[in-house]
Formats: sequence, C-alpha cells, structure tokens
Amino acid sequence: GQQVMQIPQYQHVQEGEDFTTYCNSSTTLSNIQWYKQRPGGHPVFLIQLVKSGEVKKQKRLTFQFGEAKKNSSLHITATQTTDVGTYFCAGYSNSGYALNFGKGTSLLVTP
Amino acid sequence: NAGVTQTPKFQVLKTGQSMTLQCAQDMNHNSMYWYRQDPGMGLRLIYYSASEGTTDKGEVPNGYNVSRLNKREFSLRLESAAPSQTSVYFCASSGPYLGQPQHFGDGTRLSIL
Repeated sequence: GQQVMQIPQYQHVQEGEDFTTYCNSSTTLSNIQWYKQRPGGHPVFLIQLVKSGEVKKQKRLTFQFGEAKKNSSLHITATQTTDVGTYFCAGYSNSGYALNFGKGTSLLVTP
Repeated sequence: NAGVTQTPKFQVLKTGQSMTLQCAQDMNHNSMYWYRQDPGMGLRLIYYSASEGTTDKGEVPNGYNVSRLNKREFSLRLESAAPSQTSVYFCASSGPYLGQPQHFGDGTRLSIL
C-alpha cells in the first residue's frame, strides 16, 4: 500500500533560523496536503497541492510539490516561536477516501 | 459553528471494559474518519466512512468497531479495552468531493489500565 515518509522526525532551531521538512511517497499522489498540530491540539489543515511542480506560499511558509508528484516539502523562513508544533504531510489513497499521513516532523523553536 | 465535536475529552478504563467514543459534525460532510495517535507513530487510520451507510477498515482496525449512525454521527467502540489501545483518538470529517481537506475534532485522550 501507499506509504508516506517524512524527514526529519525532529528539528530544533533558534528563532530566526529557517526550517524544512520533506515528504516522500512510495506511489504517485493525486494531491498532497499539509497539516499542523500544536502541542496538545488537533491537526489543522494548512494547504493542498495538486499540480506537478506546484509551489504555494503562505506568508513565511513555502510548499512545493515535486515534478513526479511523489515528494513534497515545507519550508519556513525565519522561524518564530508560534511555528512550534508537528507538521504532517498526507496523501490520499487510490480510493480517494483514506488519507495516508506521514509520521510528522516536530519543530521546536527556541527564543 | 462547532465543526467536529468529540466526547468525552478524557477517559480512563480498566482492561476488559467497553466504551464508545462519540463524534458529530455539523458541516454536512459525507466522509468521516477515526484515527489514533501514538508518540512517534503519527496518525493511523482505524476506520472510515465514505458516506452514510458505509464503513471501511483502515490501517489498524483490530479491536474496534464503528457505526455511522447518520450523516452527522460516527462512533467508535472498544468492546474489550486493552492497554495497547491507550492513545489519543481523533475523529475527522471531509467532503463533499474526493480529496478534500479533513477537519479534526479536539480528540479523546484514553488511558487503559
């Protein structure tokens, strides 16, 4: 079955440094979604990428979808303490109903 | 607009006890999901319901049953709780089209002694 892998598992940065998390799928994805979960909270949808090579920005966050639609990345420029949390990528299974989540990258930002 | 509501928020059970986790959404979504989240394991799908009247197994269905009571409600039942089922359980919904973002409830923190 489809597997979605994320690296790194953890990342600790100083406030102001950049951060990147990478997501790789064993199969081609129809789309990829990114979620953020704050400590003690629930996952919250950030963005969806659909097109090959697509790049989307949300303020300091940049999301990319690979040309082969098997990998994606999330880059945060100049991290802030509000960026703390776990970032998950997720791709839909072939049925289109079940979302396969990566294990997430936990980001800790030190002031 | 409440979104996805889960009850209870916390629960402690003894091994062998049964329990039903409740989930309701008010967004008129077709699809609903149950996940469990364990440290270092991410979110693992237990069961999902693509539409009212249908349910399907996810990655880790053993030890659980589900009921899609109507379009709004999707419950998860543990018939005989085991310590390995200690976890945080999230319900989510999405719709109306395939590949839509999922909206999560606040979770149920379940401990089984």
